[in-house]
Amino acid sequence: KAGVTQTPRYLIKTRGQQVTLSCSPISGHRSVSWYQQTPGQGLQFLFEYFSETQRNKGNFPGRFSGRQFSNSRSEMNVSTLELGDSALYLCASSLLETGGSEAFFGQGTRLTVV
Amino acid sequence: QKEVEQNSGPLSVPEGAIASLNCTYSDRVSQSFFWYRQYSGKSPELIMSIYSNGDKEDGRFTAQLNKASQYVSLLIRDSQPSDSATYLCAAAAGGTSYGKLTFGQGTILTVHP
Repeated sequence: KAGVTQTPRYLIKTRGQQVTLSCSPISGHRSVSWYQQTPGQGLQFLFEYFSETQRNKGNFPGRFSGRQFSNSRSEMNVSTLELGDSALYLCASSLLETGGSEAFFGQGTRLTVV
Repeated sequence: QKEVEQNSGPLSVPEGAIASLNCTYSDRVSQSFFWYRQYSGKSPELIMSIYSNGDKEDGRFTAQLNKASQYVSLLIRDSQPSDSATYLCAAAAGGTSYGKLTFGQGTILTVHP
């Protein structure tokens, strides 16, 4: 069974640009969550989608957005990139509809903003 | 105060020893708890989940949960050099927490031969 797949694996962008990251969940998983991981702040929750609806959102500015498609694949977008957005962005998928269920992470997208 | 705190480490144990990793959480509505292992440069890998008070064993790993004390731990028996990684404790409120896991800062474990 294939795991969570994230593309691209690495990105280098310039301040002010925007970026779109993609995530394909484990087959059958309909809940997709996004996290940002930095050395200083650790792993922080961005948002969660289920059946194309955002059900939960973390404390990030509106420059961070996402969406989910009918096949459960998800994208996140960051507009007007700042140097501080450099991080590992992780996507996780869960089987259960309820909160608090096991989450499985993809390999991540390493974003560097210069 | 951080919502999920882990013993700061780093923790170093000899091969074959028991490694003990600890975590406390502040939000009493937390219902689900997870331990992830993250190798350097890799993504977190789920190794244990625990939802009820008591112990849960899976191979060399034992997770312990005490909701009254708001305490979660992970024991790794017969530690191997391949267990050397950062261990992340995570908590979820359940119900409508929808995808939100709150992570500790992680404990770096080194198992030396």
